[in-house]
Amino acid sequence: NAGVMQNPRHLVRRRGQEARLRCSPVKGHSHVYWYRQLPEEGLKFMVYLQKENIIDESGMPKERFSAEFPKEGPSILRIQQVVRGDSAAYFCASSPMSPGTSGEQFFGPGTRLTVL
Amino acid sequence: SQQGEEDPQALSIQEGENATMNCSYKTSINNLQWYRQNSGRGLVHLILIRSNEREKHSGRLRVTLDTSKKSSSLLITASRAADTASYFCATGSGGGADGLTFGKGTHLIIQP
Repeated sequence: NAGVMQNPRHLVRRRGQEARLRCSPVKGHSHVYWYRQLPEEGLKFMVYLQKENIIDESGMPKERFSAEFPKEGPSILRIQQVVRGDSAAYFCASSPMSPGTSGEQFFGPGTRLTVL
Repeated sequence: SQQGEEDPQALSIQEGENATMNCSYKTSINNLQWYRQNSGRGLVHLILIRSNEREKHSGRLRVTLDTSKKSSSLLITASRAADTASYFCATGSGGGADGLTFGKGTHLIIQP
């Protein structure tokens, strides 16, 4: 009974490169959330997706960041032309139903992005 | 202050003692949750309390919620070394599809 899986666990990129972070939700979960955590900080909500739809992207930076959750395959968080300030831990979470009914989210182990 | 702000920022106690952490928030909520994060790891859900509940228990955990004061507390009784971690409260406004809003967390150290 696998939980949320994220890969890679660690990613190093040089400034200007692209970063792709992958998230496979718990089997049967159709809601995916991405969060970013800076050192010594709490998690900041970025985006909430259902299959093939972005529901809420109010926490996403306006430029360079995009997310998708295709009908088949994992959810992808894509960061183009990375800068040093993008260095952080990125966590994915999934839930089986909308937050209005349950609220609990299941978190993956995170991807630690380092931009040189 | 931020939505879901915990205090204290850090807490160090002896094994066997009780640990109490507090969380304050600003806007109306549908539920409030507590998560634990061990160093360098993902978050583990501990307990969820809905806005119409005042107290909830789960094993050695006791959570209270005071919506009039917009605050919650997490009590861990009979602490163990394995409880050493960061603890975050997170609020959900519900109503269809918001991400959780986290505080900066309380770093709890249990000394053997």
